[in-house]
Amino acid sequence: DAGVIQSPRHEVTEMGQEVTLRCKPISGHNSLFWYRQTMMRGLELLIYFNNNVPIDDSGMPEDRFSAKMPNASFSTLKIQPSEPRDSAVYFCASTFYNEQFFGPGTRLTVL
Amino acid sequence: QQQVKQSPQSLIVQKGGISIINCAYENTAFDYFPWYQQFPGKGPALLIAIRPDVSEKKEGRFTISFNKSAKQFSLHIMDSQPGDSATYFCAASKSYSGGSNYKLTFGKGTLLTVNP
Repeated sequence: DAGVIQSPRHEVTEMGQEVTLRCKPISGHNSLFWYRQTMMRGLELLIYFNNNVPIDDSGMPEDRFSAKMPNASFSTLKIQPSEPRDSAVYFCASTFYNEQFFGPGTRLTVL
Repeated sequence: QQQVKQSPQSLIVQKGGISIINCAYENTAFDYFPWYQQFPGKGPALLIAIRPDVSEKKEGRFTISFNKSAKQFSLHIMDSQPGDSATYFCAASKSYSGGSNYKLTFGKGTLLTVNP
């Protein structure tokens, strides 16, 4: 298996633009997590899904953020409109019996 | 009650020395305690994990010590090597059950530097 796949790996955009981050979990994993990592705030959980159903979105910063998981093999995290303070590395992770496997991350820069 | 407190924030060790990172948790419902290792530019990767039914787990040079009554656990890296230089995160959660996974509560991380 190729592991968790995230795209794009790097994204540079201007303030106010819509940003969509994509994640393909490992086949057979039934949970998917979205994290954001910054130097100031560390690793923050944004939202997670069990069996494609959102379970906890309390970490989503505000209404500008939304996440979907239309099927077991794909999830998106959308930011609209983006702001400079959204600049961070966004990780997706999928889980098999507790063990979380992280993707390589998407480095987002909002100018 | 969901916090996991990790210390130290950074650690410098000489090659061959022992690195020790400590974590404390509050939620007594937690029963799964993993440690993750993250290299620059990479995602965190599971290093070793323990459940509260044992007080110690060893995998190679890495050992987790667990103290249930104190609600503390620690990572020991024996014979530390420059290649161990990375950021280490402790975490805690409830175990997988009934077809569902639970979220991990992470510590803030420890930046370990092993000097040659």
